[in-house]
Amino acid sequence: GAVVSQHPSRVICKSGTSVKIECRSLDFQATTMFWYRQFPKQSLMLMATSNEGSKATYEQGVEKDKFLINHASLTLSTLTVTSAHPEDSSFYICSASKVGLTNEQFFGPGTRLTVL
Amino acid sequence: KQEVTQIPAALSVPEGENLVLNCSFTDSAIYNLQWFRQDPGKGLTSLLLIQSSQREQTSGRLNASLDKSSGRSTLYIAASQPGDSATYLCAVILNQAGTALIFGKGTTLSVSS
Repeated sequence: GAVVSQHPSRVICKSGTSVKIECRSLDFQATTMFWYRQFPKQSLMLMATSNEGSKATYEQGVEKDKFLINHASLTLSTLTVTSAHPEDSSFYICSASKVGLTNEQFFGPGTRLTVL
Repeated sequence: KQEVTQIPAALSVPEGENLVLNCSFTDSAIYNLQWFRQDPGKGLTSLLLIQSSQREQTSGRLNASLDKSSGRSTLYIAASQPGDSATYLCAVILNQAGTALIFGKGTTLSVSS
């Protein structure tokens, strides 16, 4: 299989606080992990790409100091939204691609972030 | 810049109908194309992946076609069921490594019993 989990599934926080979202590949090692953001009725938009042990590559317009990504192992990547504001409220989805098998990403169930 | 458009944005059909969802893309230089299903508040489930050398893929009641030259793909759902109700997303894959996906906004399907 190729199962990707995310934790938490939902989080509500106050404006100005930081929130960490975890993405894990449960039954495979992931060469690369991806973080997407999806606003209501909009497309998934890639925020950043991360490889284990190296710095993430951010898409244009995504603030790397606000969205901190750590990819410490082949099965875990974390996204930290620092000093969150209401406009950061969104659905965050991670995906992972397998070691040795390219050209397909496996998606997590997503995390709904609401910033009050 | 590659853009992916899905039409219609929403579709309601009675159970048992056959239906077609459309996806178009502006730049034919894609590597592969993939269809996903997304249930409300959930992640993505891959339905079908069509490689650039293929013209269609089938899985059960689903059939997806790809015409790169015209920048179009269709997802055909046969004998629709209420359990098919979901949002269907089309994504073009721009490179062999599969690291660059461009998604459409999706078609939200509602199948009534």
